[in-house]
Amino acid sequence: DTGVSQNPRHKITKRGQNVTFRCDPISEHNRLYWYRQTLGQGPEFLTYFQNEAQLEKSRLLSDRFSAERPKGSFSTLEIQRTEQGDSAMYLCASSLGKGTATNEKLFFGSGTQLSVL
Amino acid sequence: QKEVEQNSGPLSVPEGAIASLNCTYSDRGSQSFFWYRQYSGKSPELIMFIYSNGDKEDGRFTAQLNKASQYVSLLIRDSQPSDSATYLCAVRARGTSYGKLTFGQGTILTVHP
Repeated sequence: DTGVSQNPRHKITKRGQNVTFRCDPISEHNRLYWYRQTLGQGPEFLTYFQNEAQLEKSRLLSDRFSAERPKGSFSTLEIQRTEQGDSAMYLCASSLGKGTATNEKLFFGSGTQLSVL
Repeated sequence: QKEVEQNSGPLSVPEGAIASLNCTYSDRGSQSFFWYRQYSGKSPELIMFIYSNGDKEDGRFTAQLNKASQYVSLLIRDSQPSDSATYLCAVRARGTSYGKLTFGQGTILTVHP
């Protein structure tokens, strides 16, 4: 499978617990993005990496959220002290990111559905 | 005003008809425009992108962009039941990084036999 892979597919946690999600992008893609989607809404941008560098974070991303992409390969998104409002689908996407318009197409993974009880 | 707004739907069309999906955006300097299809419980899948004013056709899909009116649309000809999904319009605003997109809320399309 050469697509974007995300694990786990589903995560149920209690309020206040920490959770971590993993994303494996398409292997030749330099850019990796995290989006969040709630029911009935479109995805919202959270952050993105160019190789291992985190280049931008949305103002939506509180201090409880942290993302890493060590060695420019897979990425993790951690949420500390989860709140019920964090319940959403967390989508990872990747792109070639070579700076040309034709390479900006995003390829999404299947997402991690987080439920905070 | 939302940055990217889609007609609320849901939209229901008979099989074989043309489905027309509309999207407006607030940033006049927006650069790139995308249509994604999302089946229930699945991730968004890119079906069309357009950068220049006018029409762009790909099979049964046509994207139309009018930057003066800040309007982008997607036409699906000969609609099939398999086209039933949520269609998301996404825009990259001026000065933003590639891949940083603002999505509309989506329009649910149902194609009935």
